[in-house]
Amino acid sequence: GNSVTQMEGPVTLSEEAFLTINCTYTATGYPSLFWYVQYPGEGLQLLLKATKADDKGSNKGFEATYRKETTSFHLEKGSVQVSDSAVYFCALTFTGNQFYFGTGTSLTVIP
Amino acid sequence: KAGVTQTPRYLIKTRGQQVTLSCSPISGHRSVSWYQQTPGQGLQFLFEYFSETQRNKGNFPGRFSGRQFSNSRSEMNVSTLELGDSALYLCASKDVQGLRNEQFFGPGTRLTVL
Repeated sequence: GNSVTQMEGPVTLSEEAFLTINCTYTATGYPSLFWYVQYPGEGLQLLLKATKADDKGSNKGFEATYRKETTSFHLEKGSVQVSDSAVYFCALTFTGNQFYFGTGTSLTVIP
Repeated sequence: KAGVTQTPRYLIKTRGQQVTLSCSPISGHRSVSWYQQTPGQGLQFLFEYFSETQRNKGNFPGRFSGRQFSNSRSEMNVSTLELGDSALYLCASKDVQGLRNEQFFGPGTRLTVL
């Protein structure tokens, strides 16, 4: 079946630290991969995406590269800010009609 | 364009009752999906509607049902509520005309079952 596995949280970092949130997937085929972010009390917002192998998605200083050989889509940011504190979800879809989400990783950035 | 809207934002019900949640998609989006978010299970797909027809369905009991109207607005109904139904219910809409496989999420309805 299709599934997404994310690193367990919570993650606590100091401002300007380097962030990596690991995401691996299992899928029958070649899905599109996404990172969504959820701020407290809000719904999910699309952060970045990649639709094929070796694609790199990027937005607001975050990056993730679609690695087919390792079935991974790790999220990285070189220097986190307090405003990046949120829950991050990795997800995959084939058609865009049904998404499979990871369990989410909570990030807290302290000044 | 206005985003996905969900009403109500918060609901408190008791066991055995039923509840109806509403979702208005982004204008022009004809696909609407529903997800249940809980701390233990994360985000789980409930169902997807397109052109008033259920096109995909997740692994939830028949107590969970939905429908879509001709204007693409969607409702989700949960009957005979159980404590475990307490969750954030998220609705997402998608533009099926383009090639982008993106879903746009609403803020959710927080359901508490007492």
